[in-house]
Amino acid sequence: AQSVTQPDIHITVSEGASLELRCNYSYGATPYLFWYVQSPGQGLQLLLKYFSGDTLVQGIKGFEAEFKRSQSSFNLRKPSVHWSDAAEYFCAVLQTGANNLFFGTGTRLTVIP
Amino acid sequence: DAGITQSPRHKVTETGTPVTLRCHQTENHRYMYWYRQDPGHGLRLIHYSYGVKDTDKGEVSDGYSVSRSKTEDFLLTLESATSSQTSVYFCAIREGGSGPEQFFGPGTRLTVL
Repeated sequence: AQSVTQPDIHITVSEGASLELRCNYSYGATPYLFWYVQSPGQGLQLLLKYFSGDTLVQGIKGFEAEFKRSQSSFNLRKPSVHWSDAAEYFCAVLQTGANNLFFGTGTRLTVIP
Repeated sequence: DAGITQSPRHKVTETGTPVTLRCHQTENHRYMYWYRQDPGHGLRLIHYSYGVKDTDKGEVSDGYSVSRSKTEDFLLTLESATSSQTSVYFCAIREGGSGPEQFFGPGTRLTVL
């Protein structure tokens, strides 16, 4: 069965520090991969996506993610976190040709001054 | 901005009553989706539509029905609401030919007492 694992439920970082949020998926082939961000009381905003090609993808708000096929991972990174980055982050996977986005359970990011 | 609105944004209802949630889009996208978001589960697909009058079930469709009589509107109905259907419901659209990514509406918070 397909699954998406975000092992960190909650992460706290200091403003200006670097950030890495982990995502692992279980699927037989390379799916489409996404990261979404959700601010409190808001909908989900697409940060970035990976379909094929260059395994390091750039997104909005200074985020990037790296696809590692050997590790079935798609970790999200940002070199310097801003207080406005505090939110919940979701990794999602879409099987090629399918309609069902499978989401991880999310990682809540707290940024301290 | 994907031009998605959801109504109502908040609703409190009682067990056993019917409830209909509306998703409206302004850009004639072919694909529309309903997800529910619950703590510890991320988002899970309820139903989706791939055209007017064309719908299919998702991962957690029991107790829900959908209808799409116009391209712009996708309705989610709880025929007889139960407390287990207390959740935040998100509508999403997919732009069809341009890529598989989905864009989300602002959500509806439903409480079933």
